[in-house]
Amino acid sequence: KQEVTQIPAALSVPEGENLVLNCSFTDSAIYNLQWFRQDPGKGLTSLLLIQSSQREQTSGRLNASLDKSSGRSTLYIAASQPGDSATYLCAVRTSNTGKLIFGQGTTLQVKP
Amino acid sequence: GAGVSQSPSNKVTEKGKDVELRCDPISGHTALYWYRQRLGQGLEFLIYFQGNSAPDKSGLPSDRFSAERTGESVSTLTIQRTQQEDSAVYLCASSKGGQTNTGELFFGEGSRLTVL
Repeated sequence: KQEVTQIPAALSVPEGENLVLNCSFTDSAIYNLQWFRQDPGKGLTSLLLIQSSQREQTSGRLNASLDKSSGRSTLYIAASQPGDSATYLCAVRTSNTGKLIFGQGTTLQVKP
Repeated sequence: GAGVSQSPSNKVTEKGKDVELRCDPISGHTALYWYRQRLGQGLEFLIYFQGNSAPDKSGLPSDRFSAERTGESVSTLTIQRTQQEDSAVYLCASSKGGQTNTGELFFGEGSRLTVL
């Protein structure tokens, strides 16, 4: 059974810092991995999607990497800003026609 | 529409009443998902529809929960005889589905259900 874990559960950093959020999964046979952002009281916004054949994806100040063999993904946020404060969720999909299995999320606070 | 639309955005009901939550997926998306998110917790899978295939109902917590989807459009999640533990945000997502797409999911804003 696939399980997804995110560490740390919460993180507080000063503005301008580069930071890394971690996601691990127990079954390396994944189809893709997706990172989301969730603001309080809101739905999820897709940030980056990495297919199983890819090693990383970049969008602006965000970079997500994938190491299937070790069951890990990281989300790197460069030059963090207060507007980056949110909960970040990673989710894995084991097949093209399967559901996403979510981690519990990392709640990030970026202090001005 | 441009995104996944859910209604109502907020619903307060009394214990024992039935509720219906609606989801309009992105046009052309064949796959549709329902998730539940209790306060301060992660997302819990409920049900998944893919085209004309039989839905994956493995996440439905009890027989009080059911969902339908009309073709590849609107879906309705019904909760009968609501209980206080049903209080949560119910999130709907859609994706293009099929063998050649990326499988990226797009979520709606959710329906917040409060059972008194």
